[in-house]
Amino acid sequence: GAVVSQHPSWVICKSGTSVKIECRSLDFQATTMFWYRQFPKQSLMLMATSNEGSKATYEQGVEKDKFLINHASLTLSTLTVTSAHPEDSSFYICSASTLRAGGDTDTQYFGPGTRLTVL
Amino acid sequence: GEDVEQSLFLSVREGDSSVINCTYTDSSSTYLYWYKQEPGAGLQLLTYIFSNMDMKQDQRLTVLLNKKDKHLSLRIADTQTGDSAIYFCAETSSGTYKYIFGTGTRLKVLA
Repeated sequence: GAVVSQHPSWVICKSGTSVKIECRSLDFQATTMFWYRQFPKQSLMLMATSNEGSKATYEQGVEKDKFLINHASLTLSTLTVTSAHPEDSSFYICSASTLRAGGDTDTQYFGPGTRLTVL
Repeated sequence: GEDVEQSLFLSVREGDSSVINCTYTDSSSTYLYWYKQEPGAGLQLLTYIFSNMDMKQDQRLTVLLNKKDKHLSLRIADTQTGDSAIYFCAETSSGTYKYIFGTGTRLKVLA
């Protein structure tokens, strides 16, 4: 249980184009979804948090017009990197959280990640 | 802000035990997690511990929590080559959805 998928797993695009990454919770409804960015040999950096039907909350320093997040349903969130540039090349990981039975804090389950390379 | 620290590297021989350490600063931490990340993949939840527990064991994994010292450790018994990966600890507090991740420990298991 608690499986999260991402699509595509890797993508190469030209500078200036936009890329959409999908994140799906396959066997549970996610109260919240998160988008992270991970640079080589570094930890995860939280970019934004989204709840279904409401605007995403972006972390300080993350451009919301560049990284568009849409959370259409309790099982799907998308991240669109607009007008991508080589410095946007990175590993993007999403997670979906669900309230743990009997708990007061959500547990995050992570997708397999999407490697974006911008030429 | 809150901080979570881990040592960067650990190398062990196959069959030995591995101990990965983590320290954190948030005194209001309620849940602490261990995740495993293999190359090019996402994070796999290994185990978690609630802050009112001292120890949790799950097959080859043993988690120890010293809340006074804000120290968390993950012990992997009979370490195998398939355990080679990066291990992240993370903490969260009651009422917040955010996780604070450690820097990750790269475990290398030598055959």
